[in-house]
Amino acid sequence: SQQGEEDPQALSIQEGENATMNCSYKTSINNLQWYRQNSGRGLVHLILIRSNEREKHSGRLRVTLDTSKKSSSLLITASRAADTASYFCATDVSNYKLTFGKGTLLTVNP
Amino acid sequence: DTAVSQTPKYLVTQMGNDKSIKCEQNLGHDTMYWYKQDSKKFLKIMFSYNNKELIINETVPNRFSPKSPDKAHLNLHINSLELGDSAVYFCASSLGLETNEQYFGPGTRLTVT
Repeated sequence: SQQGEEDPQALSIQEGENATMNCSYKTSINNLQWYRQNSGRGLVHLILIRSNEREKHSGRLRVTLDTSKKSSSLLITASRAADTASYFCATDVSNYKLTFGKGTLLTVNP
Repeated sequence: DTAVSQTPKYLVTQMGNDKSIKCEQNLGHDTMYWYKQDSKKFLKIMFSYNNKELIINETVPNRFSPKSPDKAHLNLHINSLELGDSAVYFCASSLGLETNEQYFGPGTRLTVT
């Protein structure tokens, strides 16, 4: 079964609004990563948060991690049409591999 | 310059054929991966190599055989293609075995008819 699951599966917002995506996982992790995939393209790494960190920022991205609840959230502030993409969380469970969720499809309407 | 490149980008072939997908990275990374993304966008790891040594071999049919001639290249050969092999295959690389950020190639869309 999957390690990480994103929620919601799809999210549609207006430009300028904030977008929040959640990821839940099942086992203890070393780190959790978020990736973006534009349609027809490869995945692009956005941010990595380690198990001993609670929050991390990168530009308009804010990631939180709650290891007690085994969950993470990705917040994109002041969204733009160019943010339209699928967003995946991936967990590292110490066996040299990342396990990806099914992703959240974000649509930002101009 | 492209960091992780794959060829071909599209591959259409008939059942039973044998095909290869090539991957090259110019990042100087030690670790390379092959992933399969199905029609529902679920991304699953298939193989990983570290310094040309096989590290991860998930439950992938024997028809799939990776080959790493050197650290910068990881090719995927598929024998006796089946309809269910249709998917997008991604190559990726990372600095080392520690699962830090991975850099993905553009993908190869394989269609088996």
